[in-house]
Amino acid sequence: DAKTTQPPSMDCAEGRAANLPCNHSTISGNEYVYWYRQIHSQGPQYIIHGLKNNETNEMASLIITEDRKSSTLILPHATLRDTAVYYCIVRLPSRYSGGSNYKLTFGKGTLLTVNP
Amino acid sequence: NAGVTQTPKFQVLKTGQSMTLQCAQDMNHEYMSWYRQDPGMGLRLIHYSVGAGITDQGEVPNGYNVSRSTTEDFPLRLLSAAPSQTSVYFCASSSPQRGENSPLHFGNGTRLTVT
Repeated sequence: DAKTTQPPSMDCAEGRAANLPCNHSTISGNEYVYWYRQIHSQGPQYIIHGLKNNETNEMASLIITEDRKSSTLILPHATLRDTAVYYCIVRLPSRYSGGSNYKLTFGKGTLLTVNP
Repeated sequence: NAGVTQTPKFQVLKTGQSMTLQCAQDMNHEYMSWYRQDPGMGLRLIHYSVGAGITDQGEVPNGYNVSRSTTEDFPLRLLSAAPSQTSVYFCASSSPQRGENSPLHFGNGTRLTVT
């Protein structure tokens, strides 16, 4: 199973872009990269996911390197409410058919602090 | 939509007591799971279920039992609580059959203290 490495903490100024890196050097060809975040005392929240192409949604952008060994989550205009722990996850294969995102394994993530 | 609902929000137990953490979802999701979160440890998978009548162990299953008699509910049982089970417990669900990349939806957690 591919594992991920993230810095334990980062700071960002309000209104600036926050770029959160993740290394997943052992990722296999069919594994996706997922990002979740957890605001204090709440359950984790899905942000975005991707396989090999860059992805964008209303929350963030995901940039995956060509060799897929690393990725960057970009919050284009960080706000104070974006202060949270951000988790980069590589989806583990499942022994059941019909879907393989069952056993998401969360590491320790990156604590992003957005400062005024 | 209620989404994923966990009860209770807080619980204090004495060592050796038993209890059940409740989790219900109203999204007709096939997959449900339980995680525990301890300071500095991230989230660790306890048990999961891919459908009614099917359960399997995650990373840290010891001391916990689960069952899945309906699609909506996935209770987590502590048969004999220990201080090491003091943690925040999260339930999550998703629907892989609606798309292989269907994300996990989490509840807001149950904060359990065992004294």
